[in-house]
Amino acid sequence: NAGVMQNPRHLVRRRGQEARLRCSPMKGHSHVYWYRQLPEEGLKFMVYLQKENIIDESGMPKERFSAEFPKEGPSILRIQQVVRGDSAAYFCASSLWDRKETQYFGPGTRLLVL
Amino acid sequence: KNEVEQSPQNLTAQEGEFITINCSYSVGISALHWLQQHPGGGIVSLFMLSSGKKKHGRLIATINIQEKHSSLHITASHPRDSAVYICAVRVTGAQKLVFGQGTRLTINP
Repeated sequence: NAGVMQNPRHLVRRRGQEARLRCSPMKGHSHVYWYRQLPEEGLKFMVYLQKENIIDESGMPKERFSAEFPKEGPSILRIQQVVRGDSAAYFCASSLWDRKETQYFGPGTRLLVL
Repeated sequence: KNEVEQSPQNLTAQEGEFITINCSYSVGISALHWLQQHPGGGIVSLFMLSSGKKKHGRLIATINIQEKHSSLHITASHPRDSAVYICAVRVTGAQKLVFGQGTRLTINP
């Protein structure tokens, strides 16, 4: 059973470009979480999704950021018109159910905005 | 003040020492997680606790719900234990995790 997969592992973008980060949850997992780790800072929650639904996006910046988890395919975190401050490690986690289930983390995508 | 506070922020010890990392939180929680982040950046979930104590190999995690405090212990520490250890809580009624700043542990041979 493969773990949580994220791609790309490293992404370089110039200011103003778009960044698309993909997360494939563990097999059978229907809950996906995105977290961001800014340089020298702790992890921060961004968004929690179930298939085709955004459940909690209280940690998402109001502009330029969006997330989806379609019925088929990976979850996508999309950052439009990237700025240098978006440079960070973006981690995805998945769980089988909500409430009492452990979240399993992916390896992360390290985004560098030049 | 952060909702989740860890201490110490940095810890250096010699191989074989008993290690304790502390986590205090100020919110109601449904579960507490201990995570390990290796120098390469990957994150591994070590424990999920809602009460009592759990043990896995040389690692022991305890939680005191009344005192809003958890500890992670490592017995017979080894250089391969060197990593950042992160405490995270699942706030009651929510699914998101709130993270501590992490404790950077270095075990010297």
